[in-house]
Formats: sequence, structure tokens, C-alpha cells
Amino acid sequence: EPEVTQTPSHQVTQMGQEVILRCVPISNHLYFYWYRQILGQKVEFLVSFYNNEISEKSEIFDDQFSVERPDGSNFTLKIRSTKLEDSAMYFCASSEAGSSSYEQYFGPGTRLTVT
Amino acid sequence: TQLLEQSPQFLSIQEGENLTVYCNSSSVFSSLQWYRQEPGEGPVLLVTVVTGGEVKKLKRLTFQFGDARKDSSLHITAAQPGDTGLYLCEVPKGFNAGGTSYGKLTFGQGTILTVHP
Repeated sequence: EPEVTQTPSHQVTQMGQEVILRCVPISNHLYFYWYRQILGQKVEFLVSFYNNEISEKSEIFDDQFSVERPDGSNFTLKIRSTKLEDSAMYFCASSEAGSSSYEQYFGPGTRLTVT
Repeated sequence: TQLLEQSPQFLSIQEGENLTVYCNSSSVFSSLQWYRQEPGEGPVLLVTVVTGGEVKKLKRLTFQFGDARKDSSLHITAAQPGDTGLYLCEVPKGFNAGGTSYGKLTFGQGTILTVHP
């Protein structure tokens, strides 16, 4: 069964450093998403991406964040200058289409620890 | 205020017991989904409910959408240790009745269920 994959599974970085979290969505999916989950808190939407541009972003997704689809398979989330409060699980998801009738498939997540 | 309120936040029961988890809001939703998340993994969709009063069964799990489409419940019969996990209710962005969804998911804070053997 096709699945969303994410790398790395765990990344430790120092405050102020840039990190790039990578995702490979399911191959025939057209909509891509990033969510984060701070330890002990709920899953929060960050951004959705379609047709090589951001279709929606939350208030969390400020200028420190950016997303890119550098090639036909990868979808990346970049945090330019990490802060301690960026420590969280980051989940990538993809779906065939953007409406709620299409299931979003989540990857296993990347645990980001900012020290 | 939270869009979605889940209760209880924590539930610890013995194998074989029954349980119910609730998801409530003051808003009307066009649809609602339940996810299960295991430690270190992403959420996995269990079910989507769309019609007010709808009941869906998934083995020992029974999901119900409120008549007014403002709330939902998840009932597990004869819980097993394999049911342990975080149960999340979620609604798409277009949560108002007749609204348009753009795929953004809004999650409740979840119910952490632990089933002891």
C-alpha cells in the first residue's frame, strides 16, 4: 500500500539554525500539507500546498517557515532560524484532492528537537 | 474557545471494558472524522461521518454523528490493549453547514486511551 514517508525521523538542532524536513507524498496525490504537534498538545495545521503554491497557511506559519516541491517527488518544510518553541513532531500529509471527501494520508512524522 | 472539545482527555481502563469518547462543538459541521494516532506515528483515519444521526461501525468501534451535526461519539466495546492510542476528532476547514472545505484539518485535543491487559 502506498504511504507517505518522512526523513529524518528525528532531528536535533541548535537554536538559530536552519532545518529542512523532507517528505515524499503518495505519488498520484496533488495536495500536500504540513502539520505539527507539540508534545502533549493537539495536531495543528501549518500549511497546504497545491499546484506549486501555498493554498492556505495558519498563523503559525510565519516568515520563518517555507515550503517547496523541489522535484516531482519531494515536499519540504524549511524553518530558517529555529526557536526552542519549534520543538515538535512535524507531520506531512497528502491527498488526491483538496476537499474533505478525500482522505489525507499522514507520514510517520519527524521529531524536531531544538536545543 | 476551542472549536472542538474532546472528553475525556485521559481514559485508563481494563481489557474487556466498554468506553465512550465524545467530541463536541457549538458549530455545525458538514462532516467529521475520527483518527487514531499511536506514539511516534502520524494520525490514521478511522471513519468519516457526514449525515446527522449517522452511525458507522468498524469492528468493535461505533461512531455516531449527532442529529444536529455539532457533536460525535466513539464507542468501543470490549476494549483490547491494541486499542491503546490517541483518538482525535477532526473537521475540515469548511465546518459550517454547506461550507466549502479546502482540506485543512482542525483537530480536537484528543483522548488518550490506555487499555490494560
